[in-house]
Amino acid sequence: TQLLEQSPQFLSIQEGENLTVYCNSSSVFSSLQWYRQEPGEGPVLLVTVVTGGEVKKLKRLTFQFGDARKDSSLHITAAQPGDTGLYLCAGALGAGSYQLTFGKGTKLSVIP
Amino acid sequence: ETGVTQTPRHLVMGMTNKKSLKCEQHLGHNAMYWYKQSAKKPLELMFVYNFKEQTENNSVPSRFSPECPNSSHLFLHLHTLQPEDSALYLCASSQERWQETQYFGPGTRLLVL
Repeated sequence: TQLLEQSPQFLSIQEGENLTVYCNSSSVFSSLQWYRQEPGEGPVLLVTVVTGGEVKKLKRLTFQFGDARKDSSLHITAAQPGDTGLYLCAGALGAGSYQLTFGKGTKLSVIP
Repeated sequence: ETGVTQTPRHLVMGMTNKKSLKCEQHLGHNAMYWYKQSAKKPLELMFVYNFKEQTENNSVPSRFSPECPNSSHLFLHLHTLQPEDSALYLCASSQERWQETQYFGPGTRLLVL
C-alpha cells in the first residue's frame, strides 16, 4: 500500500499554462516536503510545510498543506520549460521521526 | 550545488565485482542516509547513520555494506550484486536525526550486468 499518493503521475503542458499536482495520504504528517528532481540529479528541496492549512509561495510556485495535515498541493503559475522535472512529496510521520516517506512523484514536462 | 557530493556519478559492474560508493557532505550535518531510487518506485530508505552510528537498516541485503568513518563521509560497499540492484543510489544528510529536511547528493547511477 502506497502511503503517499501523488497525482497525476505524468503531466505535459504548454509554456504559460497553470497546473496543480497533488500529494494525498490517509496518514497524518508532522511535516511535508516538496522536492524537484531533474534527470541525472538528486532531489532538491523546494519547501517544507509544517502547519495545517499553511500556504507558502516560492515565486510562481504555491504550496499548500491540508488542514488535517494529510495532503498537500503544489500549484505552478505560468509554467516555464525550466520547471520541467520530477516533483516529489515526502512526509514525516511524527515528532522525532527522521524517516521520510516519499511518493512516486509527478513527472512534469513543460513544452516551449 | 546542495553541499552533498557523491562519487562516482556512474558505475557499471559485473555481478562478481566489488565496488564502493562515496558520499561527502560539507554542511556540518550529523545524520547521513543512503536511498535507492528505482524506476516507478518511491525512494527507498536503506541505511541511516546518526553521529557515525548506524541507527537504521531497512532490511537491506548483506551484499550492501555501509560504512560511516565520520559525520562527513559515508560509503556503500557493494559485492556480488544482482541485475535488479541497478538503480540510482542517493546519499542525503540532515542536521540531526530528528531533523526532517534532508539534503540530497546527485546520486550514483549503478548498472549491474
